[in-house]
Amino acid sequence: EIVMTQSPLSLPVTPGEPASFSCRSSQSLLHSDGNNYLDWYLQKPGQSPQLLIYWGSNRASGVPDRFSGSGSGTDFTLKISRVEAEDVGLYYCMQALRTPVTFGGGTKVEIK
Amino acid sequence: QLQPSGPGLVKPSETLSLTCSVSSGSISSYFWTWIRQPPGKGLEWIGYVDDSGYTNYNPSLKSRVTISVDTSKKHFSLRLTSVTAADTAVYYCARDSIYDNRGYTFDYWGQGALVTVSS
Repeated sequence: EIVMTQSPLSLPVTPGEPASFSCRSSQSLLHSDGNNYLDWYLQKPGQSPQLLIYWGSNRASGVPDRFSGSGSGTDFTLKISRVEAEDVGLYYCMQALRTPVTFGGGTKVEIK
Repeated sequence: QLQPSGPGLVKPSETLSLTCSVSSGSISSYFWTWIRQPPGKGLEWIGYVDDSGYTNYNPSLKSRVTISVDTSKKHFSLRLTSVTAADTAVYYCARDSIYDNRGYTFDYWGQGALVTVSS
């Protein structure tokens, strides 16, 4: 199975400041169709995860444009241009290329 | 909406059973998926079923898991046999569109259902 590794485990952030965190996969997620099958999900406290980014860099419907995803192959990054208080929670990357679907361990974003 | 239901407490060695009701939209053209999250831990994909009954399971759970669908009642179900304390988790049902070409992407998640395995 594809192993997903996220860093850092925890990220204290200041509102209004940028934040970024990383995800690495044990195998390339680049498909022959040109898309990277890497998703990002945010799990706010006490809630179910919600889709933020698919294909590595495409924002899901309704996701604010302060969120951006980048990367290709095995290395990916999620950036928040200006963190807001509502952005706290656990961020998971997930490979959507093949089963078993696998998730990273998560990065916990909290306000300083 | 996706709404899971089922017992919140299951005894060791018994069978965990959950059902997820699809209250709006079609049950066709989706992989209906179960994902779980042990307390304080990360997410684990359990498997999915489509409207024809085709299934795909995580090899780590394959010997103990059954996911089924009832299209007339618009719900899908999870059965996990021979449970232990390690199966204590919040269980999520989720939807994955088959034809959006996004791979196994979950665009909608139901509320989680906490299931505790304890005697």
